[in-house]
Amino acid sequence: QKEVEQNSGPLSVPEGAIASLNCTYSDRVSQSFFWYRQYSGKSPELIMSIYSNGDKEDGRFTAQLNKASQYVSLLIRDSQPSDSATYLCAVNILTGTASKLTFGTGTRLQVTL
Amino acid sequence: DTGVSQDPRHKITKRGQNVTFRCDPISEHNRLYWYRQTLGQGPEFLTYFQNEAQLEKSRLLSDRFSAERPKGSFSTLEIQRTEQGDSAMYLCASSRTGNRGNEQFFGPGTRLTVL
Repeated sequence: QKEVEQNSGPLSVPEGAIASLNCTYSDRVSQSFFWYRQYSGKSPELIMSIYSNGDKEDGRFTAQLNKASQYVSLLIRDSQPSDSATYLCAVNILTGTASKLTFGTGTRLQVTL
Repeated sequence: DTGVSQDPRHKITKRGQNVTFRCDPISEHNRLYWYRQTLGQGPEFLTYFQNEAQLEKSRLLSDRFSAERPKGSFSTLEIQRTEQGDSAMYLCASSRTGNRGNEQFFGPGTRLTVL
């Protein structure tokens, strides 16, 4: 079982709709959770972080965390064509002295006109 | 506040050659990470520095790979005797101690092509 799993997509949503991206993780000691956006050929850009169960909203983005179910999601409201990108879920796993991020393979989002 | 910078942005080399990449983190960040990303995959952790100390290396990092951060500022990643399987995007990220949750910010990456 992969440590962080995401559906690779593509997830296609019409402009103005809500895009829902999901991620599950296997390590129960994971403490911090992140969503990165990555445009083709570019590096990942941090868009959301969440540490506690529940919802966290920032503009059109809402991150949701459920530690009991080991599940984290990202909602994008009023989706725009510029949101078309790959969204990477990342989990901060403490191992010894390191505090590295473990990434999923990403979900490709396509926002159609 | 300038972001993480990496140099070069692109590198094409022949198999068997050595290459070196540089990363300059965000100025107040004491933690520095190297990741590698191949097409269709998420970034994979390679190594981590806190100040000048290299605290962890992934088992993915063979003996041909070495990283340094001599003064706790910029870092270099060297690959010796490159192989075609080394072709990837090499990403550097930085964060700072006390940053809740260890938010990491990435540089633009160095794309390596080994012919």
